[in-house]
Amino acid sequence: AQSVTQPDIHITVSEGASLELRCNYSYGATPYLFWYVQSPGQGLQLLLKYFSGDTLVQGIKGFEAEFKRSQSSFNLRKPSVHWSDAAEYFCAVGSKAAGNKLTFGGGTRVLVKP
Amino acid sequence: DTAVSQTPKYLVTQMGNDKSIKCEQNLGHDTMYWYKQDSKKFLKIMFSYNNKELIINETVPNRFSPKSPDKAHLNLHINSLELGDSAVYFCASSDQGSGNTIYFGEGSWLTVV
Repeated sequence: AQSVTQPDIHITVSEGASLELRCNYSYGATPYLFWYVQSPGQGLQLLLKYFSGDTLVQGIKGFEAEFKRSQSSFNLRKPSVHWSDAAEYFCAVGSKAAGNKLTFGGGTRVLVKP
Repeated sequence: DTAVSQTPKYLVTQMGNDKSIKCEQNLGHDTMYWYKQDSKKFLKIMFSYNNKELIINETVPNRFSPKSPDKAHLNLHINSLELGDSAVYFCASSDQGSGNTIYFGEGSWLTVV
C-alpha cells in the first residue's frame, strides 16, 4: 500500500525567505509524485509532478522539488516566498498499479509573515 | 473555460435529504474521480471511473452512488445525508494514456445541518 507523510503541520516563514516542505512516501516501485496547493476556500492546483527522469523538477510559481529515492522523499522548495504563497500544500503519490489513485499526505499549512 | 467544473460550489441541506453534485470535464480525459476532504483537510479517494466503468470503489457507505453517463461526466448522488457527510467533495480527471496527471475541480462545500 502507498502512503505519504508530511511531517510539518504548520510552517511560518517571513516574506522573502526560503521555504522547504518535507514529504516522505512509502511505495514499493517507482511512484508518481505530485505537489498540489490549496488556497483558502479554493480547489487544488497542481504545482509540479515527477514521473521519471531528472530528479529535480520545476513547477509553477517558482517552486521546485527533488525526488530522492534513497530517502523516499520528494521535498518542495521555493527560494523566496511571497505573501500569496500562504496556503495549504499537499504531497501525493500515485501509481498505475494502484489504479492511478492518488494518496495524499496530511498537508502543510504555510503562513507568511510580512 | 474551466477544465473540471463541478456544481454546486456550496450546498447546505438538512439531514435525511438526498442531494447530487455534478461534475464535467472538457479535457478529453478518460478517467474521472471523486475525492472527499474532511474537516481536518485530509483528502481521500472515494471513486474512480475509466471510460464510464467503475475501477476504484473505496470503503464508502452505499448511500453514495456515482454515475457516469459518459466519459466527460461523473456525478455523485448522496442519499439520506448525515452530519458526518459534511465535507468538501472534489471531482478530478486524468488521462491514463498520457502520464496520468490528475486535475481537480474547484470543490463542492457540502454542509449537512
